Amino acid sequence: NAGVTQTPKFQVLKTGQSMTLQCAQDMNHNSMYWYRQDPGMGLRLIYYSASEGTTDKGEVPNGYNVSRLNKREFSLRLESAAPSQTSVYFCASPTGENTEAFFGQGTRLTVV
Amino acid sequence: GENVEQHPSTLSVQEGDSAVIKCTYSDSASNYFPWYKQELGKGPQLIIDIRSNVGEKKDQRIAVTLNKTAKHFSLHITETQPEDSAVYFCAAAGYSTLTFGKGTMLLVSP
Repeated sequence: NAGVTQTPKFQVLKTGQSMTLQCAQDMNHNSMYWYRQDPGMGLRLIYYSASEGTTDKGEVPNGYNVSRLNKREFSLRLESAAPSQTSVYFCASPTGENTEAFFGQGTRLTVV
Repeated sequence: GENVEQHPSTLSVQEGDSAVIKCTYSDSASNYFPWYKQELGKGPQLIIDIRSNVGEKKDQRIAVTLNKTAKHFSLHITETQPEDSAVYFCAAAGYSTLTFGKGTMLLVSP
């Protein structure tokens, strides 16, 4: 039982390149979230999906798109990467509303 | 939306001392307050949570208190150990998603 799995763990992009961060959960949860973590800024919500087929913007959605491919998978896409998107990205999945959220190990992204 | 303030940003204690981290929130509708611990290179992990119908909750050396009137909640760690060194995040949620504080780096010196 892996919980929440993110790939890749590390990535370096050039400005303007695109990439997709993958997230999968094997806990049969309905909700999945994408956060970014920057020094001194805590965890900020980018997008979330309350159930399969739905997605909503969080606090910092600009420059990102998401796809809830099925109940297990929730991907985050950067269409044209910018240095300001250098960050550590975490996928998370709560058991239910206002319950424990399980986090992946994170993807450290550097945009040069 | 919800706004969560967390203090201090860094906290250094000696092994065996107690550590207290405080958070305030802005939305009176928030009713769920978890605390997460993040070790270096890992994702955050829930260590304790409290709901608005409870004033205090304890789990071994960790306790959380909630004051709904003042809209603040605190994490208390007693008898700190070097393995408690990590970044701790408070969060609040009501009818929407979790909003996190900016984090506290706790350093426990042997």
